[in-house]
Amino acid sequence: GAVVSQHPSRVICKSGTSVKIECRSLDFQATTMFWYRQFPKQSLMLMATSNEGSKATYEQGVEKDKFLINHASLTLSTLTVTSAHPEDSSFYICSAREGWGTDTQYFGPGTRLTVL
Amino acid sequence: GEDVEQSLFLSVREGDSSVINCTYTDSSSTYLYWYKQEPGAGLQLLTYIFSNMDMKQDQRLTVLLNKKDKHLSLRIADTQTGDSAIYFCAESIEGTYKYIFGTGTRLKVLA
Repeated sequence: GAVVSQHPSRVICKSGTSVKIECRSLDFQATTMFWYRQFPKQSLMLMATSNEGSKATYEQGVEKDKFLINHASLTLSTLTVTSAHPEDSSFYICSAREGWGTDTQYFGPGTRLTVL
Repeated sequence: GEDVEQSLFLSVREGDSSVINCTYTDSSSTYLYWYKQEPGAGLQLLTYIFSNMDMKQDQRLTVLLNKKDKHLSLRIADTQTGDSAIYFCAESIEGTYKYIFGTGTRLKVLA
C-alpha cells in the first residue's frame, strides 16, 4: 500500500518550453501533496505544499508563476515548469500524505528534468 | 533556525552493524523518520518513531531517540551490500505536516 507514482520519469526539453510532471497516489487518497527539488548529492528542498482543491503554498524563494501546481483531485497533483531554462534542470520528487492526522509522506520515484 | 545534520559518509563491511546519526534543533517535531534513497530513485520509507518514544525496532532496523539531546540514530544490523544508499532523517513539524530533511548520509557497504 501507499504507492506514489510520477510521470514522466525522465524528460529532456528545449529552453523556453513548458514541462508538466504528474504525481499520483495509486492506492490512497492524498489530502496533501508536496513537491521537492533535489540537486546532485544534496538533500531535498521543499518547493511547495499542495492541498486538494486549494491553491498551493510555496516556500520562500520559489516562484509560483514559474512552478505552477495544480491539485485537482485527491489522487493527482501536477507541477508545470513554465518557460524552462537550463538552471531548472534538476530531480523533482513529489510526496503524498495520506488522510488527516498522519504526518507520514510517501514519495514518488522522481522525475529527472534536463533543459537544453 | 531549523536544521537537521547528518554525517556525510559511512563505510562498513558486509555483516557488520551500521549506525547512522542525526541531530535536529526543532523540539516541536512530532514524528521523526528514516528514508533510504538509491541512485536515481525516490525515497523509500524505512521506519519512523513518535517523538515521545525512546526506541523502536523493526527487523534489522533499530531507531533510538534522545529527545533531550535532540539526537536520532538508525542502526542497521547485519548490513548487506543492498543497503548501500543514501539515508535521510526527517522531522515533521507539528501543525504543518512539513518535513525538514537531514543532509543525508551515504552508506557504502564493502563486500
